[in-house]
Amino acid sequence: AQSVTQLDSHVSVSEGTPVLLRCNYSSSYSPSLFWYVQHPNKGLQLLLKYTSAATLVKGINGFEAEFKKSETSFHLTKPSAHMSDAAEYFCVVRALISNFGNEKLTFGTGTRLTIIP
Amino acid sequence: DAGVIQSPRHEVTEMGQEVTLRCKPISGHDYLFWYRQTMMRGLELLIYFNNNVPIDDSGMPEDRFSAKMPNASFSTLKIQPSEPRDSAVYFCASRPPTGNTEAFFGQGTRLTVV
Repeated sequence: AQSVTQLDSHVSVSEGTPVLLRCNYSSSYSPSLFWYVQHPNKGLQLLLKYTSAATLVKGINGFEAEFKKSETSFHLTKPSAHMSDAAEYFCVVRALISNFGNEKLTFGTGTRLTIIP
Repeated sequence: DAGVIQSPRHEVTEMGQEVTLRCKPISGHDYLFWYRQTMMRGLELLIYFNNNVPIDDSGMPEDRFSAKMPNASFSTLKIQPSEPRDSAVYFCASRPPTGNTEAFFGQGTRLTVV
């Protein structure tokens, strides 16, 4: 079984301050982990992904995330928030569960990020 | 590449009517996913295909929902008959066959059943 928990449904930060969006996962298999962003009335866009290479992953728009196996976490960070970062963010875990292409993709419930001017 | 293309972008229909949502995956991608997004339940995987074959349809809510992928470049999600509780944004996504790649999402179809 696998699951994703996004610990905060809503995060507000001031423009120019750091952003931290928390994600914990559980998986019986070696997972791949992703962060997606969804701006209002838009589709989902990939921010970054972890696929068992470097544990610190850099993504687009200055975001990065660190895979910590001991803590089963994959928190998303950005040093300085920008107004354009206001959106919904989803943490996703994917695990291949067979050699026949079966996979399990599980989305977190999302974290809405608000940027205060 | 134009990305994953979904049509229509918006659909308003009356309860009881049949609704068909369409998706064109990115060329060369052999995985295709259908998701539903609502405020109450977030993003839910409905069904996914690998090489045009349905692999896991355990997320399809009930028999009113059906999905097909007649060829590698086209998939449909059909709801018959539609109900107000089906109102949601439906996303299609695709990804290539190589292992550790992300899924690419379409812009979604916003369905409103009145």
